[in-house]
Amino acid sequence: DVKVTQSSRYLVKRTGEKVFLECVQDMDHENMFWYRQDPGLGLRLIYFSYDVKMKEKGDIPEGYSVSREKKERFSLILESASTNQTSMYLCASSLIGFNEKLFFGSGTQLSVL
Amino acid sequence: QQQVKQSPQSLIVQKGGISIINCAYENTAFDYFPWYQQFPGKGPALLIAIRPDVSEKKEGRFTISFNKSAKQFSLHIMDSQPGDSATYFCAASPSGTYKYIFGTGTRLKVLA
Repeated sequence: DVKVTQSSRYLVKRTGEKVFLECVQDMDHENMFWYRQDPGLGLRLIYFSYDVKMKEKGDIPEGYSVSREKKERFSLILESASTNQTSMYLCASSLIGFNEKLFFGSGTQLSVL
Repeated sequence: QQQVKQSPQSLIVQKGGISIINCAYENTAFDYFPWYQQFPGKGPALLIAIRPDVSEKKEGRFTISFNKSAKQFSLHIMDSQPGDSATYFCAASPSGTYKYIFGTGTRLKVLA
């Protein structure tokens, strides 16, 4: 069964901290994505990667960076966490190509105090 | 122009009824329209998807209706069941990209 695993279900951090959110997929997928989910705003794309060491900005990349050193792992980095980054973060993966099915992890609820 | 507008925000339906969720878009470059279903504590999962060369797609109790000229598409859930209670997101993908633009979501509750 396909699986996208996010390292933490809940995370509480302080303003200004550097935060790492980790995502691992076991499906040998080329594409990986980080979305942010907020009530009333739906899912918004932060960054995506279509290959190892390749990344592209999504719609809301400000305040975030990403790292993909291995095909199965995609990390989201909050360089200096702020309260407006309190949110549910969802990682997803898909096969190479357009219009492929997204497989989502269960999400990380991040609270920045 | 990149937005996908989804309505209603929430929906309550009696068991056995029809649930209808609507989405509208403006960007004619969108060429793929999936619907995702999300249960509490879980990530979204693909439910059904359609391309603009067809007007309707049915999978079991779930049907997508697509109106290309009006730039609208909708999800119909026939014979709605309490187990269908979830949040539903429509989405659209611009041609030639890996990106998906998601709607704001509809929280569906089906009463037993």
